[in-house]
Amino acid sequence: AQTVTQSQPEMSVQEAETVTLSCTYDTSENNYYLFWYKQPPSRQMILVIRQEAYKQQNATENRFSVNFQKAAKSFSLKISDSQLGDTAMYFCAVGLGNDYKLSFGAGTTVTVRA
Amino acid sequence: EAGVAQSPRYKIIEKRQSVAFWCNPISGHATLYWYQQILGQGPKLLIQFQNNGVVDDSQLPKDRFSAERLKGVDSTLKIQPAKLEDSAVYLCASSISLGGNTIYFGEGSWLTVV
Repeated sequence: AQTVTQSQPEMSVQEAETVTLSCTYDTSENNYYLFWYKQPPSRQMILVIRQEAYKQQNATENRFSVNFQKAAKSFSLKISDSQLGDTAMYFCAVGLGNDYKLSFGAGTTVTVRA
Repeated sequence: EAGVAQSPRYKIIEKRQSVAFWCNPISGHATLYWYQQILGQGPKLLIQFQNNGVVDDSQLPKDRFSAERLKGVDSTLKIQPAKLEDSAVYLCASSISLGGNTIYFGEGSWLTVV
């Protein structure tokens, strides 16, 4: 089974600034995928960004980018130019390539201050 | 494209009563998941279907929880009898198939057991 650790329960950032969320994971598999999901108060999980473990290039999606360190089993999310709408809970998740079940971390609450 | 639909959105029941949640995945999605998310935690997989077959139900408390996906499309999750610790958001999700495809989540069904 995979374990996913998010060591920052809460993060606060000023609007327009940058915040980085950390995530570490543990898996013995080689074929897996990594995700960051955003969960606003409505509780719907919204995909922010995904990374295939076999790709060395870090994924980028507009203001969101990741720093994937495979050897260290680390997968951090950087939110640039933070906006008030980014305020939410953020979850890191690992999915194996074969059966593709997602294992989630405990989440990090991000608050963007005006 | 319509997203993952869930109902009811909110339910309050007394302990020992029963409840059922319904999920309709995105059209054409063969894989369907039910997750349980307790307040302050990340989602935990309860059961995973591939078409109308169960891929994994190892985390489903089978003495009180049951789920079915008879025609390989929509699915029902039932709890009987409910316990106080079942209070959570029940998230349904779907993906085209196994193996690396993006998993899309519904808005969730909030259950409060009193």
